[in-house]
Amino acid sequence: AQRVTQPEKLLSVFKGAPVELKCNYSYSGSPELFWYVQYSRQRLQLLLRHISRESIKGFTADLNKGETSFHLKKPFAQEEDSAMYYCALSGSGWGKLQFGAGTQVVVTP
Amino acid sequence: DTGVSQDPRHKITKRGQNVTFRCDPISEHNRLYWYRQTLGQGPEFLTYFQNEAQLEKSRLLSDRFSAERPKGSFSTLEIQRTEQGDSAMYLCASSSIRVMNTEAFFGQGTRLTVV
Repeated sequence: AQRVTQPEKLLSVFKGAPVELKCNYSYSGSPELFWYVQYSRQRLQLLLRHISRESIKGFTADLNKGETSFHLKKPFAQEEDSAMYYCALSGSGWGKLQFGAGTQVVVTP
Repeated sequence: DTGVSQDPRHKITKRGQNVTFRCDPISEHNRLYWYRQTLGQGPEFLTYFQNEAQLEKSRLLSDRFSAERPKGSFSTLEIQRTEQGDSAMYLCASSSIRVMNTEAFFGQGTRLTVV
């Protein structure tokens, strides 16, 4: 069965400190992994996807197939990074997403 | 706003009533998805349309739930005989068929409260 696990419900970090959001998945094939973000009072939006290998807003995520992980990292957190972050998996090819429970990030000055 | 739009944004209904939600996807998007999100959880997949064809339904979609996309444009999600457990945020998303696993764009959601 496919599953996405985000072990941290809440991460509280100071501005300028590194932040890492953990995501582990289980899937028998080769899934595509995503990070979605939801800022306060805004809609869910794509932050980044593993196939693009981009750095978005200073965030990066590396797919580790051996550890079945897709952790999200940023070296220096900013206050505007405070949001809800969801890790998601797609294995179907047509875009159906399996989401984790989400991690709330709070960046304090 | 040219993104995915959902209507209404909020709905309060009495248990046992029927409710219908509407989703207007991004105009050139062939794929449309419905998700449900309860407190403290990530969105859970409910159903998927490619154009007007409903190609997959989750086990979460009981017989009381029905979704349509009659002309391959907007979609409706109807819940009959609502129960308190149906209280949730209902999210609609759309994406393009041109690229596999292309980005899904989400609407603001419809928050349903069953009292």
